[in-house]
Amino acid sequence: GQNIDQPTEMTATEGAIVQINCTYQTSGFNGLFWYQQHAGEAPTFLSYNVLDGLEEKGRFSSFLSRSKGYSYLLLKELQMKDSASYLCAVRDQNTGNQFYFGTGTSLTVIP
Amino acid sequence: EAGVAQSPRYKIIEKRQSVAFWCNPISGHATLYWYQQILGQGPKLLIQFQNNGVVDDSQLPKDRFSAERLKGVDSTLKIQPAKLEDSAVYLCASSFNRGGEAFFGQGTRLTVV
Repeated sequence: GQNIDQPTEMTATEGAIVQINCTYQTSGFNGLFWYQQHAGEAPTFLSYNVLDGLEEKGRFSSFLSRSKGYSYLLLKELQMKDSASYLCAVRDQNTGNQFYFGTGTSLTVIP
Repeated sequence: EAGVAQSPRYKIIEKRQSVAFWCNPISGHATLYWYQQILGQGPKLLIQFQNNGVVDDSQLPKDRFSAERLKGVDSTLKIQPAKLEDSAVYLCASSFNRGGEAFFGQGTRLTVV
């Protein structure tokens, strides 16, 4: 089965750096995805890791350690518009490459 | 490139009524997903299509939910009869292939009263 854990809420200051952690347990790991979801809107794709290491994309970076079942999303130079929910999702090749989502981390950026 | 289209955006119905949601995926995307997202939770997969065939519907409450994708493009999700606990956002997503990143529609916010 799949078991994805991430913190429920986080608060950070504008201009700062924040790290959102995600741990997972899955039998057929085939990639980890991060999505951003603003209130009342659809999730939008941020990043994807399938191999260990860091993937950088502008102000956003995502890290993966498959042996530890662990990922984090790093947001730099926080802006007010980064206030949103951040969803961690794993893809499981044993179930037709389905996506399984965590409950999401609600990030609030304060001035 | 046009995104995933869903309608309606909002729907309010009474319990025991029926409701249907429509989804048009991104052109060329063979895989289509329906997710249910209850407030404060992550999306939960209801059903996954590959073209017009069902890949997985193990979490679809089949006594009241049904979905189809007859021509391998548009899809409809139906609830009959609705219960109070069905109040949620119903998200449609599509991907180019099974396992490619998923692109989500705006969702349909269903309120059952």
